[in-house]
Amino acid sequence: QKEVEQDPGPLSVPEGAIVSLNCTYSNSAFQYFMWYRQYSRKGPELLMYTYSSGNKEDGRFTAQVDKSSKYISLFIRDSQPSDSATYLCAMNSGGYQKVTFGIGTKLQVIP
Amino acid sequence: EAQVTQNPRYLITVTGKKLTVTCSQNMNHEYMSWYRQDPGLGLRQIYYSMNVEVTDKGDVPEGYKVSRKEKRNFPLILESPSPNQTSLYFCASRKGLDGDTQYFGPGTRLTVL
Repeated sequence: QKEVEQDPGPLSVPEGAIVSLNCTYSNSAFQYFMWYRQYSRKGPELLMYTYSSGNKEDGRFTAQVDKSSKYISLFIRDSQPSDSATYLCAMNSGGYQKVTFGIGTKLQVIP
Repeated sequence: EAQVTQNPRYLITVTGKKLTVTCSQNMNHEYMSWYRQDPGLGLRQIYYSMNVEVTDKGDVPEGYKVSRKEKRNFPLILESPSPNQTSLYFCASRKGLDGDTQYFGPGTRLTVL
């Protein structure tokens, strides 16, 4: 079993839809949870990060962490074609500990 | 501008011909990593370094070497490349603190024939 599980998709949605992206994990030591966005032929860039359980909102993006279920989500409201990218969840237990990535979900927002 | 640079961006080589991919960061970060990204496997850490002269193996270190002689540079060395090392490689750096941001380079697409 992988430490972090993420559905690779692809996920196609119409412009304006609400998108839900999810990851599950098995390591209860993880404390920091991140979402990276990766456009084609580019390196991943940090989109959101959350410490421990709870919600965090930034514009059209909301990150949720449920440590009791070992489940994290990223919601994108009013999705735009420019949101078309691969979204990778990532997590670690802090400090110099390794960051473990999900496989990434490919999202396509259709105009 | 805070950035991680990698060179070359694209490389086609042949089996057994030694190569080096350079990585440099301008953020004075302690922690640097090399990842490879493959379809269906995601990002896997090859090697990492917590500071100058301190390096350690990640999840897939076989066939790779690294060195960290200066804080800003972290080259990846393939002494005898093989076709199974054909991949997209990313260098990344971060401060090493709780919740810090990891910055990625633009990637190096390597093909070994």
